[in-house]
Amino acid sequence: QQQVKQSPQSLIVQKGGISIINCAYENTAFDYFPWYQQFPGKGPALLIAIRPDVSEKKEGRFTISFNKSAKQFSLHIMDSQPGDSATYFCAAREQGGKLIFGQGTELSVKP
Amino acid sequence: DTGVSQNPRHKITKRGQNVTFRCDPISEHNRLYWYRQTLGQGPEFLTYFQNEAQLEKSRLLSDRFSAERPKGSFSTLEIQRTEQGDSAMYLCASSLTGSEDQPQHFGDGTRLSIL
Repeated sequence: QQQVKQSPQSLIVQKGGISIINCAYENTAFDYFPWYQQFPGKGPALLIAIRPDVSEKKEGRFTISFNKSAKQFSLHIMDSQPGDSATYFCAAREQGGKLIFGQGTELSVKP
Repeated sequence: DTGVSQNPRHKITKRGQNVTFRCDPISEHNRLYWYRQTLGQGPEFLTYFQNEAQLEKSRLLSDRFSAERPKGSFSTLEIQRTEQGDSAMYLCASSLTGSEDQPQHFGDGTRLSIL
């Protein structure tokens, strides 16, 4: 059972463009929604996160949009750079603390 | 703050052998999580500790897997009688209850390869 569904699986964006990654969840008891960035051979690094009572959060070039009624949230990367090329994971936290991850999106930003 | 540290970074072993991994969380973080990540997939939860108490275990954690956090600081994950399907990246994360949002910070993992 896939509790958090992420799309697309891969994404190619030109430098300076906007990268958009979408996630949908099923469990309305999730209380926190982080996004992680992962480079090859490294562990996931926390990028930005949001609580379900907030509709949008922006940190620098990264923005999370959250639609509680649709049970969907998305990551927008503005002015995408080649250094942003990585795999991105959305996640949702159960109240006990464990994270449920999406399947990941491999982003490639072309110069 | 030196981050979450995991050792070894890589482990290659023959099927049927036992292996043990170590995780040192961020100091003062009272929660410690273990996840497993296979190629092309997101991390999957295995188990977590609050201080020295193991509070939850996933169904993924078969009887061959055991985790400990004896003094509420570092943790070990042992896999007995390893199988081919155990090949994966084993990730450790830590967090501090009571902090805003209690974000989980991950180490760089231990990559296990079963020959």
